[in-house]
Amino acid sequence: AQRVTQPEKLLSVFKGAPVELKCNYSYSGSPELFWYVQYSRQRLQLLLRHISRESIKGFTADLNKGETSFHLKKPFAQEEDSAMYYCALASSGAGSYQLTFGKGTKLSVIP
Amino acid sequence: GAGVSQSPRYKVAKRGQDVALRCDPISGHVSLFWYQQALGQGPEFLTYFQNEAQLDKSGLPSDRFFAERPEGSVSTLKIQRTQQEDSAVYLCASSRGVGDYGYTFGSGTRLTVV
Repeated sequence: AQRVTQPEKLLSVFKGAPVELKCNYSYSGSPELFWYVQYSRQRLQLLLRHISRESIKGFTADLNKGETSFHLKKPFAQEEDSAMYYCALASSGAGSYQLTFGKGTKLSVIP
Repeated sequence: GAGVSQSPRYKVAKRGQDVALRCDPISGHVSLFWYQQALGQGPEFLTYFQNEAQLDKSGLPSDRFFAERPEGSVSTLKIQRTQQEDSAVYLCASSRGVGDYGYTFGSGTRLTVV
């Protein structure tokens, strides 16, 4: 069965410091991974997906199949990055397209 | 509509009551999902619709949970004989196509069973 692990419940960093939010996964097939973000009093929204290899709001994430990881990184944290971040793993088969989410990491950027 | 709309935003139910939660997805979105998010946890999959067809209900925790999307647009999640462990935020999400993981989430319904 697929599983997503986010080992840190809370991560506090100072403004301008680098950020790394950890995500590890377990999946027997070819993984497709995502980061979703929820800002205070807002809805959960897609931040980025690994297949796009894009940088959104300065964040990047690289899929490392050897380490089964998909860590989210940003070189210089901003106060507006404070939010709840969820790593998610897609699974498809038998007509379903569900996401398995981790428990989330709360990022707090200290001014 | 402009986004995914869920109602009610908050629902308090006495144990044993039946509840119905509504989701109005983005017009034209083929895929619709329901997730349950308990306090301090990530969202957990409940069920998936492709248009009006419920293709996956493997995440529904018991036969007290039932979902429908009869005309391929609005969906209702019904919970019968609610129990305290049903207390959670119920999230609805829709996406444009099949296999499109770029979900648009609703604000959720927070269900509290007392």
